[in-house]
Amino acid sequence: DVKVTQSSRYLVKRTGEKVFLECVQDMDHENMFWYRQDPGLGLRLIYFSYDVKMKEKGDIPEGYSVSREKKERFSLILESASTNQTSMYLCASSFSRWQYFGPGTRLTVT
Amino acid sequence: GQQVMQIPQYQHVQEGEDFTTYCNSSTTLSNIQWYKQRPGGHPVFLIQLVKSGEVKKQKRLTFQFGEAKKNSSLHITATQTTDVGTYFCAGQHSGAGSYQLTFGKGTKLSVIP
Repeated sequence: DVKVTQSSRYLVKRTGEKVFLECVQDMDHENMFWYRQDPGLGLRLIYFSYDVKMKEKGDIPEGYSVSREKKERFSLILESASTNQTSMYLCASSFSRWQYFGPGTRLTVT
Repeated sequence: GQQVMQIPQYQHVQEGEDFTTYCNSSTTLSNIQWYKQRPGGHPVFLIQLVKSGEVKKQKRLTFQFGEAKKNSSLHITATQTTDVGTYFCAGQHSGAGSYQLTFGKGTKLSVIP
């Protein structure tokens, strides 16, 4: 079974803090994705990566950056957290067309 | 950017009734996928449709891909309480790279026992 893990299920941070969300997959997938999920807005793609050190902007990259130094790990960075970044963050990986999701990190920025 | 519209946003049904959710894209899709997210859970892949007019079944679930590859539907026959959750369609637009998907906003299904 594919396993996608995320570093925290719940996280509370203060406005202005730098926040790191980590995602690890154990199936040697080339593609990895970061989404945020908000009520009524569905899943919106923040960034994705199709190879180590490669990254592409998704639909809502503003305020975020990513890092992929190793194939199995994809990190989402909030350079200076703001209250409008309070959300559920979902990581996913894929080898073929469909995606496997991690359990999500619910981030609250106060 | 590319959009996939999904309706309805919410659906409440009595257990045993049927349920259908619809997705529509303004542009041709190379494939469409369906995911289910249980309350408190994460999206889980259900199925992928690739061919024009394709119909696939999984027990009580029937998935269709339109002839023009711009729309899709998921139909559940005789809903059960285990069907509760949010159903998302996700389309890959022709020419999109790296298996990037555009998700619909989802249909949240409630089943009244």
